[in-house]
Amino acid sequence: EDQVTQSPEALRLQEGESSSLNCSYTVSGLRGLFWYRQDPGKGPEFLFTLYSAGEEKEKERLKATLTKKESFLHITAPKPEDSATYLCAVRAFRVNKFYFGSGTKLNVKP
Amino acid sequence: NAGVTQTPKFQVLKTGQSMTLQCAQDMNHEYMSWYRQDPGMGLRLIHYSVGAGITDQGEVPNGYNVSRSTTEDFPLRLLSAAPSQTSVYFCASSYSPHRGSENTEAFFGQGTRLTVV
Repeated sequence: EDQVTQSPEALRLQEGESSSLNCSYTVSGLRGLFWYRQDPGKGPEFLFTLYSAGEEKEKERLKATLTKKESFLHITAPKPEDSATYLCAVRAFRVNKFYFGSGTKLNVKP
Repeated sequence: NAGVTQTPKFQVLKTGQSMTLQCAQDMNHEYMSWYRQDPGMGLRLIHYSVGAGITDQGEVPNGYNVSRSTTEDFPLRLLSAAPSQTSVYFCASSYSPHRGSENTEAFFGQGTRLTVV
């Protein structure tokens, strides 16, 4: 069964304290692994797509990596404005669905 | 470029009333979908469409209807609102996973916050 599990559910960091968010997945025929950021009261905002194991993408303080079983979202020297819920999703070739994790709520304190 | 547009942003319904949540996209995406998001439950798929005239059920379809008469629009109808349908609803669109390009990510609207009393 295709599924996505994110950990931890919540993460509190001090400004400048680097950390990583985990997304474990099982899917047959991966057509993409996606990271989103969601602010309160807003829709998910697309961050990255990863397609194959070993791939990495970066954007400002965020770096996403992918293996055959999991993805990590590394946050380097976070700032309070990085506080949000981060969602992970996968998509398979054979089904027209996205499978979303429950998200990690990140709180960065100044 | 508007992306995915949802209306209304907020709505209060009485139990038993019906209404339609509107969703439109201007990116010529084949795939459109509706999710509901509840605290602690994540995003749950209600219905989706792979193209005009084609719709299918997601994991929580009961109490909702959809249709896809054009590529751009994908309205969600609540037939007889119940308090259990109080939630935030998101519409999303994307290219088909079978398209040759790598741009297969989903784009979301800003959501409709629905309260059923």
